[in-house]
Parts: sequence; C-alpha cells; structure tokens
Amino acid sequence: EAGVAQSPRYKIIEKRQSVAFWCNPISGHATLYWYQQILGQGPKLLIQFQNNGVVDDSQLPKDRFSAERLKGVDSTLKIQPAKLEDSAVYLCASRSTANTEAFFGQGTRLTVV
Amino acid sequence: AQSVTQLGSHVSVSEGALVLLRCNYSSSVPPYLFWYVQYPNQGLQLLLKYTSAATLVKGINGFEAEFKKSETSFHLTKPSAHMSDAAEYFCAVTWGNTNAGKSTFGDGTTLTVKP
Repeated sequence: EAGVAQSPRYKIIEKRQSVAFWCNPISGHATLYWYQQILGQGPKLLIQFQNNGVVDDSQLPKDRFSAERLKGVDSTLKIQPAKLEDSAVYLCASRSTANTEAFFGQGTRLTVV
Repeated sequence: AQSVTQLGSHVSVSEGALVLLRCNYSSSVPPYLFWYVQYPNQGLQLLLKYTSAATLVKGINGFEAEFKKSETSFHLTKPSAHMSDAAEYFCAVTWGNTNAGKSTFGDGTTLTVKP
C-alpha cells in the first residue's frame, strides 16, 4: 500500500513569511498526526485529527500555527508568520483503528532564515 | 509527567559487535513501547513494538527489545551490527490504547558502525 505522502520535501523561507505543508495519509487511516522534529530532538506532537475533527491540539502554538483536515483525508499545516525557531522537520503520520502505531511520511524540512 | 529517556545520544560500535541502545520511561499506567529508526532525510520506520504481549519483542533487521517493568526499560539490541544499521534510533511511548499512535519520543540515539 502507498505510504504517507508529504510535500514539499524542503522549504526555505524568510522569517515573518508564511508557509504551508501538505499531507496525504494512508488510505483508510482515520487518525492523522502532525509532529515537529527540531534538530537533535525527538518528534513532538503538534496536533491529532480523528477524521475531520481535532482530538488534541494542546501543543500547537495557535498564535501562528494552524491545521485543517476538512474532508477527513488530506491535511495542511500552516505557519504564519514564521519565526527562526520554527526551523525543523514537520512529520505527518497516520494510523488506522487496527494499529497501535502510526506510520510516518518522509517529512518536510523547513528552514527559516 | 510522562517521559522517555534515551541514555547516550551517540553510540559507536564496530561492525559485527553487539548493539545496545538504552531506553527508560516513566509511566503510571501500562505503556505501549516502540523503537523507530530514521535514516538521513527520511521519516520514521517502525522497528518493533511492545503492546502487553510477550516481553521479548523481535523486530525487523535482526533487532529485538525486552520490556522490563521493574526497571521501566525497553532497551534495543542486535547481536551483530552491520554498516547499514548506522542511523538514528528513537524510543517512543504511548500510554494506553486510547492514546494509540500519540507517542512521546526520546531525543534519539545516533548509531555509528565502524568498519
């Protein structure tokens, strides 16, 4: 089966600009996650969706980050305006109800200069 | 607070030597435990998982891990390292089936394999 697809793979922007990342989960996976992985650290959960509803966004910096999954399939994560400390890899993952683990995409590496 | 600690941010072994990557967690409820591997510029790939069945778990690429409740540990081992094992390894914990997939990760251990 096809894996989790993310685009773009790399993005360089200036601080205060906006950026958006796209994720298409594995077909049939109801749960979708966005993680932020800063260099030298493990991934940290930003937001969790169940179908098109938000389950947990407690760690999402809502003043600048937003995410949506309008039709319960693909998802976008947006940062506006970006800060230098947002430089990281943004990982999307999805999970079916039959699994205890999530399956990860290759990530989008964001560099804010 | 829930946490995962990976002891040693860098581990170096010779090809053919034993690989031991350490992971300890804190939990007040039975955890699900995972080891993921990440190659450069790639996402995370699941190596193995513990979900309250057998405490010795075998995974892909010859890796295995043992859940020790008394030590709150889930160390990853491989009897004989290959050059292709060089990567970053992450231990992750999920607390309870209702949180399945929503994991807390350690900060990773970079494994270097010397020829």
